[in-house]
Amino acid sequence: AQSVAQPEDQVNVAEGNPLTVKCTYSVSGNPYLFWYVQYPNRGLQFLLKYITGDNLVKGSYGFEAEFNKSQTSFHLKKPSALVSDSALYFCAVRGFNNAGNMLTFGGGTRLMVKP
Amino acid sequence: EAQVTQNPRYLITVTGKKLTVTCSQNMNHEYMSWYRQDPGLGLRQIYYSMNVEVTDKGDVPEGYKVSRKEKRNFPLILESPSPNQTSLYFCASSLSVAQPQHFGDGTRLSIL
Repeated sequence: AQSVAQPEDQVNVAEGNPLTVKCTYSVSGNPYLFWYVQYPNRGLQFLLKYITGDNLVKGSYGFEAEFNKSQTSFHLKKPSALVSDSALYFCAVRGFNNAGNMLTFGGGTRLMVKP
Repeated sequence: EAQVTQNPRYLITVTGKKLTVTCSQNMNHEYMSWYRQDPGLGLRQIYYSMNVEVTDKGDVPEGYKVSRKEKRNFPLILESPSPNQTSLYFCASSLSVAQPQHFGDGTRLSIL
């Protein structure tokens, strides 16, 4: 069965500093990986995805993520955090060779950016 | 405007009273899915649908039913709701399971 782990419930960072939100996964075959962001009282919004190609993926709002196959990780990064980046972030995976078509989400990481 | 619309947004009801949460998308997407969000557990997939008349169970299907009679609609049915189904529910759609999902704004269900 596929799974996603986001080891940190919360990440605190000062505005202007770089941020990293961690994600590791377990899946059969090659993964499809996604990051989503959730603001209060809203549904999730897509940030970026990795399916194939370059290991460094660039997405919306200046976010990027690095796919590391050997470490089965897909950490979300941003060079300079903004207060407006404060939100709940979810990593998700779908196994390419999975007989089913389920998407599995991690438990979420709350990002707090302080002025 | 491309969107996924869920109704109702909020509902308080009692144990055993059947309810339906509607979901509609206007993007001609084939893949639709229902999730529930609970603190510390992230999003867990309840049911998904690859296309009209094709539905399958996700991680937590017990106590729920779905149907996909039309491409745009994917209602979630709780035949006999129980308090452990109190949660925040999201409907989502995408062109395929490999593509990013568009989410509705959520339905908060409280079952007393």
